[in-house]
Amino acid sequence: ETGVTQTPRHLVMGMTNKKSLKCEQHLGHNAMYWYKQSAKKPLELMFVYSLEERVENNSVPSRFSPECPNSSHLFLHLHTLQPEDSALYLCASSPGGVINEKLFFGSGTQLSVL
Amino acid sequence: AQSVAQPEDQVNVAEGNPLTVKCTYSVSGNPYLFWYVQYPNRGLQFLLKYITGDNLVKGSYGFEAEFNKSQTSFHLKKPSALVSDSALYFCATNTGFQKLVFGTGTRLLVSP
Repeated sequence: ETGVTQTPRHLVMGMTNKKSLKCEQHLGHNAMYWYKQSAKKPLELMFVYSLEERVENNSVPSRFSPECPNSSHLFLHLHTLQPEDSALYLCASSPGGVINEKLFFGSGTQLSVL
Repeated sequence: AQSVAQPEDQVNVAEGNPLTVKCTYSVSGNPYLFWYVQYPNRGLQFLLKYITGDNLVKGSYGFEAEFNKSQTSFHLKKPSALVSDSALYFCATNTGFQKLVFGTGTRLLVSP
């Protein structure tokens, strides 16, 4: 148990659906992240929030919309996704104090877009 | 741009033998380098990191990594592999504050 919980574990959605991924951390951290993991590709950093402010957005398509209502919760809202968006979406958190701090990851949401 | 590369998609080793998982880096200035492990159906877990100082870094589960500046490498090692070490291993480096980038991963298979 890493202290970072993601729900749901699995999600199947059609291209016209709207769904949300949820992440919660119980570690008192100030920074939260969304990563996308696809087979045979490096993990892609999608969004970074620090003290609930978005500090990084790596040219992610607008069909992905993050929300960070407080430092313990992070959401990824999904709409009109494409089949190539099928992947494992990982949430992570870190204390948020120094550049070389380690990240704590959740188990991920396996997303399949039909 | 700061980056890491993992040249091997998969490494096979017999239980009890030493293992090495390779990572090379391309970083300007002093690098911060990390190893993470991902077990099936789980997120990534931190193993160890290099900041500065001793070139041999010891981490979790008996793993260690050797920082080699002349070869720009940061290989992960373990003297005696266990079947339970079978997993996906990622090398990573910081490209800025709160911006960790990962390699493509190396699958380690330890056979009994």
